[in-house]
Parts: sequence; C-alpha cells; structure tokens
Amino acid sequence: DSGVTQTPKHLITATGQRVTLRCSPRSGDLSVYWYQQSLDQGLQFLIQYYNGEERAKGNILERFSAQQFPDLHSELNLSSLELGDSALYFCASSGLAGVGGNTGELFFGEGSRLTVL
Amino acid sequence: AQSVTQLGSHVSVSEGALVLLRCNYSSSVPPYLFWYVQYPNQGLQLLLKYTSAATLVKGINGFEAEFKKSETSFHLTKPSAHMSDAAEYFCAATGANSKLTFGKGITLSVRP
Repeated sequence: DSGVTQTPKHLITATGQRVTLRCSPRSGDLSVYWYQQSLDQGLQFLIQYYNGEERAKGNILERFSAQQFPDLHSELNLSSLELGDSALYFCASSGLAGVGGNTGELFFGEGSRLTVL
Repeated sequence: AQSVTQLGSHVSVSEGALVLLRCNYSSSVPPYLFWYVQYPNQGLQLLLKYTSAATLVKGINGFEAEFKKSETSFHLTKPSAHMSDAAEYFCAATGANSKLTFGKGITLSVRP
C-alpha cells in the first residue's frame, strides 16, 4: 500500500461528458502529480501541484484541469470527453527532493481506469 | 533537461535466466535514479533507488542496479528470472530541478 488513494477505480462514461478523478496523497506529502497511461502513448506526465500551487505542466489538454485543495487532496477534471481519453489515470505524491531527506521518488496510487464509449 | 532512455519496448527471457534491463540518463548533474515496476492492472511501485550512496543498489524481489557515472547508466539486473517478474519496468531520474523524468518503459516476459 503506497498510501495514495484514488477514486473511483473504474469509470465508464460517454463522449462529451465530464468526469472528476480524486486523489488523496500520502500523509505529509505536499506534491501531487497526475499521469495518463494508455497503450499507444505510454506514461504521460500531465501536471504537478505543490502545496496548492501549480508547479509543472506536461502534456495536459486544455479540456483537462486540476487543482489541489488546502487539505492537499487533488482533483483532475476531464471534460468534453473523447474516445481517445480512455486510459488509466494515475495520481502520485512525493516530498520535495532535497528537502527533509526526500529523494523525489513518487508514490503511486492504483489508478482510475476511464473508459469513454 | 533530464532525459531517460530505455532501449527497446519488450524483453523476453526464460525462467531462471539473467534479466538485464538497460537505462541511460542524460543529465550532467548526478541525479537520483529509480526503477519502478508495474504489474498488470496495478500502479507503479518502487523497486530500488540510487541516491549517491553505494553505486550498487539492491532492491526488492532480488533486483539490483548499478550506477555508472562514466556511462550515464543505471541498468537493472536479476540473476535468475521468475515467472512473477513479468511486468513493465520504468527507469526514472531526477535532475537539477528535482523533476522526475520517466523512460518509456519496457515489458519483461518470462518464458517457462
């Protein structure tokens, strides 16, 4: 058990719809990361938050947005869904590398599997 | 910027054979280096990490990796493959900006 919790585990929805994925990081971790994993694209970094602020952006579509709340949980919002958005979405958390002995390793949740029909 | 290269997308070995998964990183700044494993329908879990202590790092399930600065490599090995080792393996590295960069991953198959 990594200590990172993601809900829901599975989600089936239709094209054009909007969904929200939720992540609770490991206790004490201030950084939350979102990744998308699909067969054709592999593991793609979407976005990182640190203590409520956006810290880094990867290949995140404009239809997608995320935020990190004061209690450090994070949500990834996916809107105007397309068939190609079907994927596993992972949340990960970490401490900041070099701070307090942290080495920057990520702790991953089990993922949310999104199927768009 | 840091980049991580894992050559090939698939490796197949026989049960009991040596496992060697290659990883090269690009940064001139000594990074932290990691190997993660992903079993089917699961998240990624840490196998081992290099943090500038010993260059030979031992991880879980009998895996180990050696940091070679001169070769900018961090190859993963296991002397004897087991059927349960079949999974996808990701190499990752942090650079000067502390951002973790993943390689593309490599799928390990183990033949009986």
